[in-house]
Amino acid sequence: DIVMTQTPLSSPVTLGQPASISCRSSQSLIHSDGNTYLSWLQQRPGQPPRLLIYKISNRFSGVPDRFSGSGAGTDFTLKISRVEAEDVGVYYCMQATQFPLTFGPGTKVDIK
Amino acid sequence: EVQLLESGGGLVQTGGSLRLSCAASGFTFSTYTMSWVRQAPGKGLEWVSGISAGGDSTYYADSVKGRFTISRDNSKNTLYVQMNSLRAEDTAVYYCAKSSPRSYGEFENWGQGTLVTVSS
Repeated sequence: DIVMTQTPLSSPVTLGQPASISCRSSQSLIHSDGNTYLSWLQQRPGQPPRLLIYKISNRFSGVPDRFSGSGAGTDFTLKISRVEAEDVGVYYCMQATQFPLTFGPGTKVDIK
Repeated sequence: EVQLLESGGGLVQTGGSLRLSCAASGFTFSTYTMSWVRQAPGKGLEWVSGISAGGDSTYYADSVKGRFTISRDNSKNTLYVQMNSLRAEDTAVYYCAKSSPRSYGEFENWGQGTLVTVSS
């Protein structure tokens, strides 16, 4: 199975300041079809998860442009350019290159 | 508007069985792959199982293989998971998730979840 790790696991941030979360996979996420199936999801308190980013860097419909994704191979990053109060929650990276699909442990983002 | 409504959760004894349902609306259910994802209390997300649009291909996490069976009824726009031989570690909120047309694992819509508690 592909193991996903995230750093940090907790990230207190100041409103209006940037935040960055790293995600690493235990093996390359490049699929045989050439795509890299790495997604980022946000889970606000008491809510189901929500898709933010798919295939490394594509923002899902309705996701603010302060969210951006980057990376390649085994190393990926989610950046929030200016954190807003509504961004509080847990962020998960997830790979769908290989079954079983696996998630990272989650990074909790809260306000200092 | 896409809606996914899970039901069937509850308290069950260790070794017991439960069937969860996910009623879908607002999209052409029969053309999308679907999955179940669970979240133990205070823990992270775990993909449980997935099924192709036509129901002919199914996939499972090792932790549930042989005990859980995913299925769908496209005439009823409903996704199911039959859970047998339940264990304490199966206690979780179970979400159904709709995949994007691009990829099995891009979960673009989620239900609110249904809680399953397994206790002796």
